[in-house]
Amino acid sequence: DAKTTQPNSMESNEEEPVHLPCNHSTISGTDYIHWYRQLPSQGPEYVIHGLTSNVNNRMASLAIAEDRKSSTLILHRATLRDAAVYYCILQRTGAQKLVFGQGTRLTINP
Amino acid sequence: DAGVIQSPRHEVTEMGQEVTLRCKPISGHDYLFWYRQTMMRGLELLIYFNNNVPIDDSGMPEDRFSAKMPNASFSTLKIQPSEPRDSAVYFCASSRFPWGSYNEQFFGPGTRLTVL
Repeated sequence: DAKTTQPNSMESNEEEPVHLPCNHSTISGTDYIHWYRQLPSQGPEYVIHGLTSNVNNRMASLAIAEDRKSSTLILHRATLRDAAVYYCILQRTGAQKLVFGQGTRLTINP
Repeated sequence: DAGVIQSPRHEVTEMGQEVTLRCKPISGHDYLFWYRQTMMRGLELLIYFNNNVPIDDSGMPEDRFSAKMPNASFSTLKIQPSEPRDSAVYFCASSRFPWGSYNEQFFGPGTRLTVL
């Protein structure tokens, strides 16, 4: 499985945008980029995924570099509830396994 | 839908005892996954099933661990005998067979296991 690299931790303020980076220089053409997050004392939950184009949903936006070697998860207006560990994961098309790295621990200041 | 259900939520046992963790996946989901999370090793996939059949158990740490899925609505993860290093949070997740490019995994709340 191709590897992802994320900062160990980030900090932001409530109601401000947050940009969470992820590097995946060995990504293959059939790898999807997924983001999950894990709130304190809960199981991980899906956030967003994409292949080549930028994606938006009600939770976040995913910006994918043109060469696909990096991506950024964007929380447009962070709330205290967004404090969590965010995982960037590559998954080959049709594969079922998710391989979690250490993720980025996001702290939101009131 | 109630989501993925796991029981018990907390389990404290003594070394050498048998431990059984239970999971009920979301109805209609074809895939079931067991994960383990520790501070040292993070979140690791132990085993996953498709249509009740184990597909990949390469993450199962050793023979003390076994998992079964007797039907589409129930799975167990058993540790016998348990050891202190098995202390972790165990998550169960399920997903639907992918229609298209992707299938989201839905995680349960986890079982926190402490082996004394």
